[in-house]
Amino acid sequence: QVQLVESGGGVVQPGRSLRLSCAGSGFTFSNSALLWVRQAPGKGLEWVATISHDGSNKYYTDSVRGPFSISRDNSKNTLYLEMSNLRAEDTAVYYCVKASDAYCGGDCFLVDWGQGTLVIVSS
Amino acid sequence: YVLTQPPSVSVAPGKTATITCGGDNIGGKTVHWYQQKSGQAPVLVIYYDIERPSGIPERFSASNSGNTATLTISGVEAGDEADYYCQVWAGSDHPAWVFGGGTTLTVL
Repeated sequence: QVQLVESGGGVVQPGRSLRLSCAGSGFTFSNSALLWVRQAPGKGLEWVATISHDGSNKYYTDSVRGPFSISRDNSKNTLYLEMSNLRAEDTAVYYCVKASDAYCGGDCFLVDWGQGTLVIVSS
Repeated sequence: YVLTQPPSVSVAPGKTATITCGGDNIGGKTVHWYQQKSGQAPVLVIYYDIERPSGIPERFSASNSGNTATLTISGVEAGDEADYYCQVWAGSDHPAWVFGGGTTLTVL
């Protein structure tokens, strides 16, 4: 079965950086687009970033474009989210999500979700 | 693009719950629905407006037309208590995956 296991969360001071990882298994990692979706405490879901199956296309929500960078290593079945210049508003559970196709455009849906990793930005 | 959901819906066991998702001409887009139980990751319950993934009960159905998409849960059970989110893909020039604000379903 599909497994997505996030790691790298923790408490970080404002302005610092953090890298999240997501290890995928149980599916052909290189065939699927992947996303990061976050959820602030007590709030709803917010899309953060998307990367196509081969890394050729990357998209970001406006609030993180620039400070955040999504990447993947298909040889290691791992997705990454590099987060820099973190702010209190970035405090959230970050979910790694497998998309229904290779590019996740148009009618793509979010098939499988990891359990999430919590990032707390606080001094 | 903004998706609007009611914050909460309450229903008695065995009754039918209806959760709406409003958006400008949302009927022209493809809507997906996710269920998130307390302390857990979201789970896909409806995709392509009306399709159910394997393992999702037939009690879950949906529609999408005009400015409103609707998730319907028939014969509601206590285990259906959760937050429900609608989601669409918005924009080809500036892609974005948009979620509604979520609806908390309470089973009375």
